[in-house]
Amino acid sequence: GESVGLHLPTLSVQEGDNSIINCAYSNSASDYFIWYKQESGKGPQFIIDIRSNMDKRQGQRVTVLLNKTVKHLSLQIAATQPGDSAVYFCAERGFQKLVFGTGTRLLVSP
Amino acid sequence: NAGVTQTPKFQVLKTGQSMTLQCAQDMNHNSMYWYRQDPGMGLRLIYYSASEGTTDKGEVPNGYNVSRLNKREFSLRLESAAPSQTSVYFCASIFGPGEKLFFGSGTQLSVL
Repeated sequence: GESVGLHLPTLSVQEGDNSIINCAYSNSASDYFIWYKQESGKGPQFIIDIRSNMDKRQGQRVTVLLNKTVKHLSLQIAATQPGDSAVYFCAERGFQKLVFGTGTRLLVSP
Repeated sequence: NAGVTQTPKFQVLKTGQSMTLQCAQDMNHNSMYWYRQDPGMGLRLIYYSASEGTTDKGEVPNGYNVSRLNKREFSLRLESAAPSQTSVYFCASIFGPGEKLFFGSGTQLSVL
């Protein structure tokens, strides 16, 4: 809905730049992490995931990095496009449940 | 293949009214979830159903009830709506542990 995204941290980039969205997670026992993209008025869509036994995973134009030492997750988007404008959420799985972060809004200017 | 379907998309209620949010998935998923999304709060789990015939409380269950009607359908009921329940509600489903969640398109609920 339109109320999603108020009070969110925002990253503004130019089209063609690389974007890096960061996420700190809380549970050192979490074993699985996911990034979701949410466009206005839509439900979250899966982008990429990573298990705790990995520190990097690449997809099409996206890379997820996991630093378990500092409990930090990042999503890198290469050659950002206007269609990448959305709210991005990280989620961690601990104790069989997914816990979502509050999200970051990515704004891409042409 | 519709994925996860939620109805209605929008709803306005008066305080004290009741309503049921419907969710159905056609992916033969075992587990289904109801989340609410509020500004600055991320997605919070209300209830989930790990498999047909079971339901469990999530992080914010107060004021809600759920029914796992069959493997496909998982409904969320507000017995007496309150303004604090104004939110966007998402249903999601998953085949099994370690799989990614598939989300519906959401229900925007306003309680006046």
